Amino acid sequence: ETGVTQTPRHLVMGMTNKKSLKCEQHLGHNAMYWYKQSAKKPLELMFVYNFKEQTENNSVPSRFSPECPNSSHLFLHLHTLQPEDSALYLCASSQDGGAGANVLTFGAGSRLTVL
Amino acid sequence: GQNIDQPTEMTATEGAIVQINCTYQTSGFNGLFWYQQHAGEAPTFLSYNVLDGLEEKGRFSSFLSRSKGYSYLLLKELQMKDSASYLCAVRDSNYQLIWGAGTKLIIKP
Repeated sequence: ETGVTQTPRHLVMGMTNKKSLKCEQHLGHNAMYWYKQSAKKPLELMFVYNFKEQTENNSVPSRFSPECPNSSHLFLHLHTLQPEDSALYLCASSQDGGAGANVLTFGAGSRLTVL
Repeated sequence: GQNIDQPTEMTATEGAIVQINCTYQTSGFNGLFWYQQHAGEAPTFLSYNVLDGLEEKGRFSSFLSRSKGYSYLLLKELQMKDSASYLCAVRDSNYQLIWGAGTKLIIKP
């Protein structure tokens, strides 16, 4: 399989649940990203990993916890979420996270609903 | 603060031409990107402008004026499959991507 794959595509969870989103890329890229996409709002960058090292954490609440075990896989662990966290969570990758052209390749997203 | 403005929604007719504008105010400039996102799908890269002028790629063209903080995406010979959201993003002086909220384009027969 090529490109960026996200699972699950849809997730419904209660506020006390713990769940994880998974992202996998088969492009040989060295940078991976988590974005939050809410209706009619700009994409919000959450986390960046470059060569498996976290380089960005944009003031994201601790109820979101990223994990990057290798340059091909990225997880977003979720616990005690709030209803306002309901959104589409997009994973992306790029050749590197530096000053290059850095075209992003996105996954199709995980649609999260918090009840 | 940093800001990207683009229209929320536009409607156009199949076979016609549509121009989607994007204006930006950012701390520095290191390139402007356009992405297309069909409903329920991943955003996909369309174009990249870093110098002033027009970049043409088939039916799609993207224009940049850095002095005016302005770009547009021009779509010609519109097809129904062009119905999607179009996202404008600018890379600032720290190479951070600043995103617009996207323009939903509706194509009517």
